[in-house]
Amino acid sequence: KAGVTQTPRYLIKTRGQQVTLSCSPISGHRSVSWYQQTPGQGLQFLFEYFSETQRNKGNFPGRFSGRQFSNSRSEMNVSTLELGDSALYLCASSLDQSTDTQYFGPGTRLTVL
Amino acid sequence: AQSVTQLDSQVPVFEEAPVELRCNYSSSVSVYLFWYVQYPNQGLQLLLKYLSGSTLVESINGFEAEFNKSQTSFHLRKPSVHISDTAEYFCAVSIYSGSARQLTFGSGTQLTVLP
Repeated sequence: KAGVTQTPRYLIKTRGQQVTLSCSPISGHRSVSWYQQTPGQGLQFLFEYFSETQRNKGNFPGRFSGRQFSNSRSEMNVSTLELGDSALYLCASSLDQSTDTQYFGPGTRLTVL
Repeated sequence: AQSVTQLDSQVPVFEEAPVELRCNYSSSVSVYLFWYVQYPNQGLQLLLKYLSGSTLVESINGFEAEFNKSQTSFHLRKPSVHISDTAEYFCAVSIYSGSARQLTFGSGTQLTVLP
């Protein structure tokens, strides 16, 4: 089975712009979670989608949003980018919540200038 | 709220020496525990997990971790490390938050294996 894929792998944006990141889960997985990883804050949970519904949300401002499609692919969007949004954004998928094993993609490295 | 503490941010160790990476968590409810490894410029890979049953869990590459409920710890050990084990290691705890389980990570431990 193919692993979790994320596109693009690298992205450079300027302050004030918006960005959309994409995640394709492992085939058959219905849960997709997003995390932000920075040197200062470490790995922080953004949100989790299951069957196109957001089931859980971390402590991030409303500029961070996401959605999940019927094929379980997920996108996250960050509007009005700030310098502090520069990070590695990781997506993880799991079969469903009961298995609790999340498989991670390689991440999208976002740099905000 | 749950939290995960990885007591050492950096652990240098010589090749073929034993290593222990420490992890403590705080939670009053039942938890699932995980260790993930991250190599440079890559995502996280699951190393091992504790869901229930035997408190000693092992990975295919020689790592093991023991769940200690009384000490709320889940330390990772390897009896003999290799250069290729150099990576960052993250301990994580999964607990119900609202309607679903949420994974909370520690701050990570950079393991550097020296020749």
